[in-house]
Amino acid sequence: GAGVSQTPSNKVTEKGKYVELRCDPISGHTALYWYRQSLGQGPEFLIYFQGTGAADDSGLPNDRFFAVRPEGSVSTLKIQRTERGDSAVYLCASSTPMGLAGNEQFFGPGTRLTVL
Amino acid sequence: DAKTTQPPSMDCAEGRAANLPCNHSTISGNEYVYWYRQIHSQGPQYIIHGLKNNETNEMASLIITEDRKSSTLILPHATLRDTAVYYCIVRPIISNDYKLSFGAGTTVTVRA
Repeated sequence: GAGVSQTPSNKVTEKGKYVELRCDPISGHTALYWYRQSLGQGPEFLIYFQGTGAADDSGLPNDRFFAVRPEGSVSTLKIQRTERGDSAVYLCASSTPMGLAGNEQFFGPGTRLTVL
Repeated sequence: DAKTTQPPSMDCAEGRAANLPCNHSTISGNEYVYWYRQIHSQGPQYIIHGLKNNETNEMASLIITEDRKSSTLILPHATLRDTAVYYCIVRPIISNDYKLSFGAGTTVTVRA
């Protein structure tokens, strides 16, 4: 079946611009996660959705970052006034409802964001 | 504060078993050990998880010491496609802590 998809696969933008990154989770997965991965490091948690609501946005680095999931399926990560330090691979994952651990997270291929 | 410690890199020969160690000396009784891997330019992929018993699936085996302070992921017959970064992660059983905390992982290179 279809996995998690992310678009675009690559995004190059200029410093100060606004970008949107999209995630399509696996159908039926109510939990959705965004992570960010800098070169040579493991992924770092950004935000978690259960359904339409952001249950935990503690990983968002500052108020330039915002994410939505209006219908409980597709999610969009929005970055305002991009900075060169925002350059990274942005990963999305989805899973069946949170609760007992053991529910694996399925990751998309990521969006590589480059801020010039 | 890292919950797991892994060697930064290791090589193994194609067709041989690859044994990947992980130390988690501060693990508590209500935490699982998870393993994920990340092949170059892809998102992380779930491999296996366990609590205290050894576990095996189609991808790998997980051996957890009796005191649960360390574990070993075993890839029984490594192939070139197993070249990846392998992450050992500790995660609560009853999860109000749903996020995966990745460390730097072990970069495994399988050589022909």
